[in-house]
This record gives sequence, structure tokens and C-alpha cells, in this order.
Amino acid sequence: QVTLKESGPGMLQPSKTLSLTCSFSGFSLSTSGMVVSWIRQPSGKSLEWLAAIDWDGDKYYNPSLKSRLTVSKDTSNTQVFLKITSVDTADTATYYCARRRSPGTSFDYWGQGVMVTVSS
Amino acid sequence: DIQMTQATSFLSTSLGDHVTINCRSNKDINKYLAWVQQKPGKAPRMLIHFASTLLPGVPAKLEGSGSGTDFSLTVRNMESQDIAMYYCLQYSEQYTFGAGTKLELK
Repeated sequence: QVTLKESGPGMLQPSKTLSLTCSFSGFSLSTSGMVVSWIRQPSGKSLEWLAAIDWDGDKYYNPSLKSRLTVSKDTSNTQVFLKITSVDTADTATYYCARRRSPGTSFDYWGQGVMVTVSS
Repeated sequence: DIQMTQATSFLSTSLGDHVTINCRSNKDINKYLAWVQQKPGKAPRMLIHFASTLLPGVPAKLEGSGSGTDFSLTVRNMESQDIAMYYCLQYSEQYTFGAGTKLELK
């Protein structure tokens, strides 16, 4: 059974660095074609893809946010991390991680999301 | 950047109706288009990818079509469980979501 679960600080102050963790089970990120992405959604708004890391360790970023994002994974291939630097109120959102199983497909499994509020 | 347009933000429908949601891209994306359903307070759920391929467990009353720049999602025989927000998503070049279309009951 594939599951993903996000965790994060809940609330942080402007200008700080946001650190998020996606813990998953039921698949291995070392499997060829596998990708885990981060996606966020401000309340009442649409979804925005942020970053991805694939089975080979290659990393991909939304160009509009690239300078502030770092995606990584652990050596056991059971967790993926996202760091966002210099946060401000516009980064307040629910953050999701999602899995892509193979090229030509899209996000077949999603985590439940973690809400992050940026406020002083 | 590829932009995805869902021109209709809200669609009022009645139980038993057939309803179609449209999505347009500003660039040819072949069939690299997915449809995502989201209910209030819940995580998104992928329904269809590659424009028309239903994911396991998705009822056949949903149908995706299109290629290139114009796509649609049809929901047949509307039920209360179909009331949700629907987003299109292109994955030809990275990923871009549409603004969403909310299905509502009249």
C-alpha cells in the first residue's frame, strides 16, 4: 500500500527557512522512473508545482521559485525533503508531496498535506 | 512556460446531468494532460492521465478526451459524490495546473 505523509513546522516567521519532510512507504524512490514532487496550494487557490527529485537523484525546480528551493532525499530512499528560504506570507499554503510512478504518467498518489503559515 | 486555462470557474449542474469541463493549453502538450479532483478539506486525487486513461478505481462515468491544446473531462450521470473542484494539469514540460472548475448543484 502506497502512502505519503508530509510534516513541517506549522508556523514560522517571515525571512526564515521552511523545512518540509515527505515520508513514504509502499514504494522505493530507487525504482527506475519514480519521482516524488512537492506541490502547494494557498487557501482557496489552485495548485502550484514546486520541485521534484527522481530515482537517479536528479532534481527539478519551478523556475519562478528555483533560487529559494532545495529538494533532497535520504539515503534509504524513504524520505524526501524540501527547503524554502526567505519565506514570506505568500508562502502560506498547504504543502503536498506526490508520487509519479513512470514517465508519461502523473501524480497517482498524494500525501494528506501539511498546512504552513508564515506570520510574524 | 506552459499556461493552462480553465475558462469556466463554476458549473451548476443537477443530479443525473452530464457535464463537461474544458481546459486549454497555450502550447501543444500532446496528450500529457491529467485531471485532478479535490473535495473540500481533502488532498487532490488524480482521476485521469495521458488525457483519457482512467486511474485504477476511477469510475467509467468519467471520460477524458483531447490532445494538443484542447481537452475536456465529461462526468456522466452527476451524483453528489462528484461535487468537487476539478483541475487540469499538464506534464509535458514540468507541471502546470489550471485554475480549476467547481462543480456545484443547482
